[in-house]
Amino acid sequence: EPEVTQTPSHQVTQMGQEVILRCVPISNHLYFYWYRQILGQKVEFLVSFYNNEISEKSEIFDDQFSVERPDGSNFTLKIRSTKLEDSAMYFCASSLTGGYTDTQYFGPGTRLTVL
Amino acid sequence: AQSVTQLGSHVSVSEGALVLLRCNYSSSVPPYLFWYVQYPNQGLQLLLKYTSAATLVKGINGFEAEFKKSETSFHLTKPSAHMSDAAEYFCAVSDRVNVGQGGKLIFGQGTELSVKP
Repeated sequence: EPEVTQTPSHQVTQMGQEVILRCVPISNHLYFYWYRQILGQKVEFLVSFYNNEISEKSEIFDDQFSVERPDGSNFTLKIRSTKLEDSAMYFCASSLTGGYTDTQYFGPGTRLTVL
Repeated sequence: AQSVTQLGSHVSVSEGALVLLRCNYSSSVPPYLFWYVQYPNQGLQLLLKYTSAATLVKGINGFEAEFKKSETSFHLTKPSAHMSDAAEYFCAVSDRVNVGQGGKLIFGQGTELSVKP
């Protein structure tokens, strides 16, 4: 069964450093998402992406964040200058049509630790 | 705004006992609701979803959930717990109020289910 993959599984970085989290969505899916979960808190939506542009973004997704689909398979989340509060589990997801009832398929997550 | 609330961050049951995980929603429009499960070191996997067809929704691994509009609830149940059901369970609603492109999900806090032998 096709699945969403994410690398790395765990990333440790120093405050102020740039990080890139990588995702490979399911190949025929058209919508891509990033969510994050700070330890002990809810899973929160960050951004959705369709047709090579951002469809929607949350208040969390400020200028420090960017997303890109550099080729036909990868979908990346970049944090330009990490802060302590960026420490969280980051989940990538994809869906076929992006509709309200469409299933979003999630990857296993990348745990980001900012020191 | 839409939201979901999961009562109980941790639920413990004995193997063979009924599993009941609670989810209540708040929505000004008819909601589309989802239950996801996360096993250790894995991604969130869809268990079932309510999309306004049948109010009793059956999912994978013997789980089901009933949409009750009068109670604004979408509780997840399984008649007999198995050790392999130990995981974290998330209730979510598809955002239809803040209309964008791509139907983002709004999640509850999650409930960790433990199953005792």
